[in-house]
Amino acid sequence: DSGVTQTPKHLITATGQRVTLRCSPRSGDLSVYWYQQSLDQGLQFLIQYYNGEERAKGNILERFSAQQFPDLHSELNLSSLELGDSALYFCASSVGTEETQYFGPGTRLLVL
Amino acid sequence: QKEVEQDPGPLSVPEGAIVSLNCTYSNSAFQYFMWYRQYSRKGPELLMYTYSSGNKEDGRFTAQVDKSSKYISLFIRDSQPSDSATYLCAMSYSGGSNYKLTFGKGTLLTVNP
Repeated sequence: DSGVTQTPKHLITATGQRVTLRCSPRSGDLSVYWYQQSLDQGLQFLIQYYNGEERAKGNILERFSAQQFPDLHSELNLSSLELGDSALYFCASSVGTEETQYFGPGTRLLVL
Repeated sequence: QKEVEQDPGPLSVPEGAIVSLNCTYSNSAFQYFMWYRQYSRKGPELLMYTYSSGNKEDGRFTAQVDKSSKYISLFIRDSQPSDSATYLCAMSYSGGSNYKLTFGKGTLLTVNP
């Protein structure tokens, strides 16, 4: 158990819908990262927040957005969902050094 | 050319074998090199990270980075069935407001008892 929690574990929704994924980092960690993992694309870095502020952006679509709240938990919002958004979404956290990241168990999203 | 290339395998070895996993990359700006292990239906777990070129050892695991060849390796000695997982290489650089982190697609390893 890494100490990072993610909810929900599974999510099934329809195209065009909007969903919110939630992540609670390890106690004391200030950075939160979001990743998407699919069979064809592998693990893709989406976005990083540090202490409430956006710090780095990766391959995040404009339909996706994230935020980190004062209690340091983070949410990833996915809107206008498409079939191709079906994937595993991971959250990771670190104290502040990008290299030592601890991953949560993931949320499996299925868009029908 | 992809920024990070990793042979997806699958790789199957007998218990006790030495396993060699490799990645090549094209971006010379990468500074940090990591190896993650991911069990089926679980999140990736950081195994090792190194900065710049050189070797790093941790128990049965050794990570090597050759920046001149843009090649990184992970060696697993005395492999165990519990090592069966997907191994992901990752590399990153950061400077000012720039940060880039890229993962390989992973190599599926099976260690047979």
